[in-house]
Parts: sequence; structure tokens; C-alpha cells
Amino acid sequence: DAKTTQPPSMDCAEGRAANLPCNHSTISGNEYVYWYRQIHSQGPQYIIHGLKNNETNEMASLIITEDRKSSTLILPHATLRDTAVYYCIVLVLSGNTPLVFGKGTRLSVIA
Amino acid sequence: DVKVTQSSRYLVKRTGEKVFLECVQDMDHENMFWYRQDPGLGLRLIYFSYDVKMKEKGDIPEGYSVSREKKERFSLILESASTNQTSMYLCANSKSGGRETQYFGPGTRLLVL
Repeated sequence: DAKTTQPPSMDCAEGRAANLPCNHSTISGNEYVYWYRQIHSQGPQYIIHGLKNNETNEMASLIITEDRKSSTLILPHATLRDTAVYYCIVLVLSGNTPLVFGKGTRLSVIA
Repeated sequence: DVKVTQSSRYLVKRTGEKVFLECVQDMDHENMFWYRQDPGLGLRLIYFSYDVKMKEKGDIPEGYSVSREKKERFSLILESASTNQTSMYLCANSKSGGRETQYFGPGTRLLVL
């Protein structure tokens, strides 16, 4: 049970912002939101994570709603190399319980 | 630059063969994981280990075993390969207490004939 819901696919024009939504309506107070992506034929890659505040790093921004029931990953200027499957995951930061990946969103960046 | 390597990118084996998939990390991380990935099913956890000589079953351990004799090395063993074990196998690792940020290897695409 991945505990998140994402659209199966999205398209984005090259150079535009890609906004990838994720619903996690059953998230509990101590669960973080994590994003990974997987480019074709490669292993998944960590992107960003957050608890309740918005976060930004060199790869992306993460916007989490005030009620924490949904979030959006933003790639500000998508390139062709951002074409990948993006996974949203919620989890508690403790112990060694492994990640549970859902089916993710297949983002296609189009020239 | 951090490195997670897997012994092969592509492997072809026959039904009934014993198959070894090896993962090596140079990050000095305690936790290591083996997943398989199949179209439409996403990533599924096979086994994980949070210390040398420790192992825990994941969601789909049947038909597999693992070995963790050294911290940097985590091996996945298919005792008697079957065609339904044809898949992409991914190894990952994370720091102890930080299993949320996992670093993945490039994957091994296994075909069992």
C-alpha cells in the first residue's frame, strides 16, 4: 500500500515548469513526503523531501498544502533529461522500514 | 562521487540455474536493500539488511535468499531460477536511521529462459 495517489502520466513542454501532484490524504503528523524519480533503465534517484514547510533545492521545489493532504513537485525549467517516472512517497523518519514505491507519474518533456 | 555498483547490467540464465547478483557500495552505509521492478507493478522489496549478517524479508522473498558478510556488499541469490524471476533487479543503500534517502545502483536486467 503506497499511501499516495499520482496521475499515471503528464506532458510538459521543454523550458516550462513541470508541476507534478501527489495526494496523500491519510498522511500522519510524523510522516514526511519524499520524491524520487527514475530515468529509463536507471535506478531511482532521490530528489527532495519535506514535512510541512515548502522546500527547494538545486533540482526542484516541493509545495505541501497546509493540511498536508497533498503536495506538488515543481521542476522550474524542465529539460528533455527530466523525462522520467516520478514517485511520491510518505514515510516516518525512523527505523529501517524500507521505502514503498507506488506506480508514480510518467513525465514526458516534449521539445 | 558516491558509488553503488551491481555486478552485471544484463544477465541471461536458464531455468534451474543458481544465480548470484552482487551489490557493492562505497558509502559506508549500514542499510542495504534488494528490489525487483516489473512493468505495471512498480518497485517491490525482496530483502533488506541493516547490518552485517542481518537480513529481513521484504514483501516478496520467496525464491530468493541474501548474504551480507561485509558491510559494503549485499548479494541476492536465486537458488533455482525460474522464468517468473525475469525482471529488473535494483540494489539500494541508506544510512542507519535514514533509510528514507536511498541510493540506488544502475540495476541488473535478468532474463531467465
